[in-house]
Amino acid sequence: QVQLQQWGAGLVKPSETLSLTCGVYGESLSGYYWNWIRQSPGKGLEWIGEINHRGYTTYNPSLESRLTMSIDTARNQFSLKLMSVTAADTAVYFCARVGVISGFSFDQWGQGTLVTVS
Amino acid sequence: DIVLTQSPGTLSLSPGERATLSCRASQSVSNNLAWYQQKRGQAPRLLIYGASSRATDIPDRFSGSGSETDFTLTISRLEPEDFAVYYCQHYIITSPRTFGQGTKVEIK
Repeated sequence: QVQLQQWGAGLVKPSETLSLTCGVYGESLSGYYWNWIRQSPGKGLEWIGEINHRGYTTYNPSLESRLTMSIDTARNQFSLKLMSVTAADTAVYFCARVGVISGFSFDQWGQGTLVTVS
Repeated sequence: DIVLTQSPGTLSLSPGERATLSCRASQSVSNNLAWYQQKRGQAPRLLIYGASSRATDIPDRFSGSGSETDFTLTISRLEPEDFAVYYCQHYIITSPRTFGQGTKVEIK
């Protein structure tokens, strides 16, 4: 059974960079797309972007100018960096897998990390 | 971006009753629509994909229907563990994935 476990700083200062990593256990990174999604009271659930095992990325245009996603196949993990954060970036951030069998929906999720910009 | 509008915002029902949740897309998403359940403090859980296919280990009291712009999630008989918030989400490749604002199913 695949498990996604995420970690990173829970408090980030305005204008600095938010960094999170998601480790994938029980499954190879190959053959799937790996995503970041965030949830805030004001904006609900918001898709951030995705990356595959070859490093091919697709970003939400609303965040693209500040966003970098990367993947480390040797460690079986992928990461998110969001630059120049403001209070509007305060949210619970989730990593998630897009499952091909489940029609490209998000079929496995990490536990979530609350990131506060202050 | 495609806007997904869910209704109602809150559904107040008793255990054993039927729940009918709606999701309307601002443009056609074909059958590229999923439903998720989220409980407080947890990540969303995939219930339905492809508008009508149940995900792994999802009980058959959950069913999805619809296509193009109008979709429905039905819970045939509410169990105590079904009281939660439900979200729809599209995955059309040509548009950023978006979620609906959610429907809360609460105990009456």
